[in-house]
Amino acid sequence: AQSVTQLDSQVPVFEEAPVELRCNYSSSVSVYLFWYVQYPNQGLQLLLKYLSGSTLVKGINGFEAEFNKSQTSFHLRKPSVHISDTAEYFCAVSDQGGGFKTIFGAGTRLFVKA
Amino acid sequence: DTEVTQTPKHLVMGMTNKKSLKCEQHMGHRAMYWYKQKAKKPPELMFVYSYEKLSINESVPSRFSPECPNSSLLNLHLHALQPEDSALYLCASSQGFGGLHEQYFGPGTRLTVT
Repeated sequence: AQSVTQLDSQVPVFEEAPVELRCNYSSSVSVYLFWYVQYPNQGLQLLLKYLSGSTLVKGINGFEAEFNKSQTSFHLRKPSVHISDTAEYFCAVSDQGGGFKTIFGAGTRLFVKA
Repeated sequence: DTEVTQTPKHLVMGMTNKKSLKCEQHMGHRAMYWYKQKAKKPPELMFVYSYEKLSINESVPSRFSPECPNSSLLNLHLHALQPEDSALYLCASSQGFGGLHEQYFGPGTRLTVT
């Protein structure tokens, strides 16, 4: 069984500053990894995903994430945030062994201040 | 069309009422999902349909009854709900049934049970 830990429940940051949202996972098999964003009163939207290949993954809205197998991490980064990036961010994992569930982390609330 | 639509956006119902939530997608996706999301929590999987057949039921109480009339539509029938069932109900779809497929989410139905 997999599990996902998002180490920070809230991350306040000033506009135009860089940000890193941390995600660690646990699994006995190889995994697929995802980051989703949820803006207030909306559904979730995929930011980026890692399936295989290059460990640095680029997504929408200037976000990127790096898969680190040895540290079982998939941290999300953005070099310069905007007010509009204020949202809830969910890291998610599913296994490559034919499992059908996607396991979501508890979420990190990114709050961008002017 | 990469949109998942959900109706209604908001629903208030009494504990003796019967109501239905509706979800629709026209992306040709063959897997569809219902999630329940409480405030400040990640989505919790309720049901998964694959090729219009129920594939996963996460031990959801029988007062929630899913239905998949065709490959584009997913309903959730509600009867005799409890106040603790108040939540955001999210529908999602994916191209296939398996961990590597990202999910496309609708905006959700905010349900209040009085």
